[in-house]
Amino acid sequence: EVQLVESGGGLVQPGGSQRLSCVASGFTFSDYEMIWVRQAPGKGLEWVSSISTGITGIMYYADSVKGRFTISRDNTKNSLYLQMNSLRAEDTAVYYCARAFKVYSGGYYYRYFDYWGQGTLVTVSS
Amino acid sequence: EIVMTQSPATLSVSPGERATLSCRASQSVSSNLAWYQQKPGQAPRLLIYGASTRATGIPARFSGSGSGTEFTLTISSLQSEDFAVYYCQQCNTWPPGTFGQGTKVEIK
Repeated sequence: EVQLVESGGGLVQPGGSQRLSCVASGFTFSDYEMIWVRQAPGKGLEWVSSISTGITGIMYYADSVKGRFTISRDNTKNSLYLQMNSLRAEDTAVYYCARAFKVYSGGYYYRYFDYWGQGTLVTVSS
Repeated sequence: EIVMTQSPATLSVSPGERATLSCRASQSVSSNLAWYQQKPGQAPRLLIYGASTRATGIPARFSGSGSGTEFTLTISSLQSEDFAVYYCQQCNTWPPGTFGQGTKVEIK
């Protein structure tokens, strides 16, 4: 059974830092691109960051977090991380990690998020 | 960035009735679109990918259609467990995989 379990959320002051973790089980972690998606209270879903497979995974970030957040993975520990620095009130959200599976079509790969963790709440407030 | 617009924001439906949700992309995303269901306090669940392919374990009452800029999610006969928020997401341009703002399906 595929499982993704996030941890590391909590209350942090504006300007502070927080590190989220996501431990995966039930599949070969190193074979999959991994994603962070967040959801502000009462709002919709926002893709935050992704990291590809491989030793030096290719990383992408939403403009809203670029330069402040860093995604990483440790395939030996089946773990995904999100280091969040210079946090702002607008970063308050439930953060989900998700697995991306790729569908090949017309010469390209398209990513869909087929398994999600339960989420961890990050609150940025003084 | 591609903008995804869902309508209506809220859909009131009686159990057993059909629900039709719409999603429009600001530019063509071909058939590279997903639908997710989210219940209160839960993570999203993948329902449909490739605009019309049901994900593993998704009941046949869920169906997706469309291509280009116009997409539809149809729930043929609403069950009590289907009342939730539904999001579309374009996967054609990566990154980002932009989501729509969601449609809440509520009990009429």
